[in-house]
Amino acid sequence: EDQVTQSPEALRLQEGESSSLNCSYTVSGLRGLFWYRQDPGKGPEFLFTLYSAGEEKEKERLKATLTKKESFLHITAPKPEDSATYLCAVSTAGGYNKLIFGAGTRLAVHP
Amino acid sequence: EPEVTQTPSHQVTQMGQEVILRCVPISNHLYFYWYRQILGQKVEFLVSFYNNEISEKSEIFDDQFSVERPDGSNFTLKIRSTKLEDSAMYFCAGAGGGPTADTQYFGPGTRLTVL
Repeated sequence: EDQVTQSPEALRLQEGESSSLNCSYTVSGLRGLFWYRQDPGKGPEFLFTLYSAGEEKEKERLKATLTKKESFLHITAPKPEDSATYLCAVSTAGGYNKLIFGAGTRLAVHP
Repeated sequence: EPEVTQTPSHQVTQMGQEVILRCVPISNHLYFYWYRQILGQKVEFLVSFYNNEISEKSEIFDDQFSVERPDGSNFTLKIRSTKLEDSAMYFCAGAGGGPTADTQYFGPGTRLTVL
């Protein structure tokens, strides 16, 4: 069964304290891996798409990387406005691009 | 920047009633999806829709659910007879064609409360 597992469930950081979030996946054939940000009561906001091992994408303080079994979302010098739940999702080869989501990591950045 | 919109933002209904959740996708998108998120749980796929027909649906999407794109701009999810367990946030998503077909953009959601 295709599965996505995110760790940790929750992470508390001080402003400026860099860290990484993990997303491990077991799928029959990976088509793409996606990172989204979700604020409370809102819809997922697209951040990155990764397709192949070794690929990296960056946006402001965020960098996403991909290996054959997992992806990392690195947050460099976070600010309080980076506080949110970060969701990882995968789509599989041969499907119609449905996304399979992990449970997310709740990030709180304190000043 | 174009956005996906959803109405209503919050719907309260009695068990057994029909509800229709509405979405206006980004105009050049070709692929459309509905997901739901029960409070505190993962986002779950319900259905995908392309070229005016369902392309894939999950086990959750039983005979009580239906989708429609009635006029080329709106995309609706109907729940025929709501149950308590249908209470959740419902998200519409869309994706463009070609190289951008993989990336789905989500709406803000409709919170459905079934009493």
